[in-house]
Amino acid sequence: GENVEQHPSTLSVQEGDSAVIKCTYSDSASNYFPWYKQELGKRPQLIIDIRSNVGEKKDQRIAVTLNKTAKHFSLHITETQPEDSAVYFCAPFSGTYKYIFGTGTRLKVLA
Amino acid sequence: GAVVSQHPSRVICKSGTSVKIECRSLDFQATTMFWYRQFPKQSLMLMATSNEGSKATYEQGVEKDKFLINHASLTLSTLTVTSAHPEDSSFYICSAGSGAAETQYFGPGTRLLVL
Repeated sequence: GENVEQHPSTLSVQEGDSAVIKCTYSDSASNYFPWYKQELGKRPQLIIDIRSNVGEKKDQRIAVTLNKTAKHFSLHITETQPEDSAVYFCAPFSGTYKYIFGTGTRLKVLA
Repeated sequence: GAVVSQHPSRVICKSGTSVKIECRSLDFQATTMFWYRQFPKQSLMLMATSNEGSKATYEQGVEKDKFLINHASLTLSTLTVTSAHPEDSSFYICSAGSGAAETQYFGPGTRLLVL
């Protein structure tokens, strides 16, 4: 079956520093690559996404880069703030028409 | 923006009883709905994919006779946990989309506690 892994599983950064989370997937037919932020007890929120015909996308402090050949995509957060603290999930849309969530990364931004 | 609701938000039930969770797309027609389960400090695990008017597709290891899914209209899907046991206690989240490889919109989730 499809395999989706995230690294690191936990990440602590100082406020103002950058954070990078990598998502590696196995299904070469995946064509849509979203990142979600989930706060405790809440639903996942889409923060950025990218499609397979684009290599990079940026939205203010958040960016996503995609390497389809190597089958990984990464979330980049610059100028981190305490409110960025949450669990982040990637969820590539597979060739079997479903989203497979990654293992999750707990980000802690230290003030 | 697209809004998905879930009801109830939390439910406590006795072991052996059945619980129904509703997922509604309020302002768009959802051709596909997904049901996930999330245990504490774990990722979202896809349980099944539900398409309007057809039988749900269950993921490996998910008992279709225990987790009954009905997607009778383009705005409503239901998940019924039959004969619930304490190990079924979890956070159940639905999401809805209007097509393949499109943005999915999540419901707020239902926290189920089986005593």
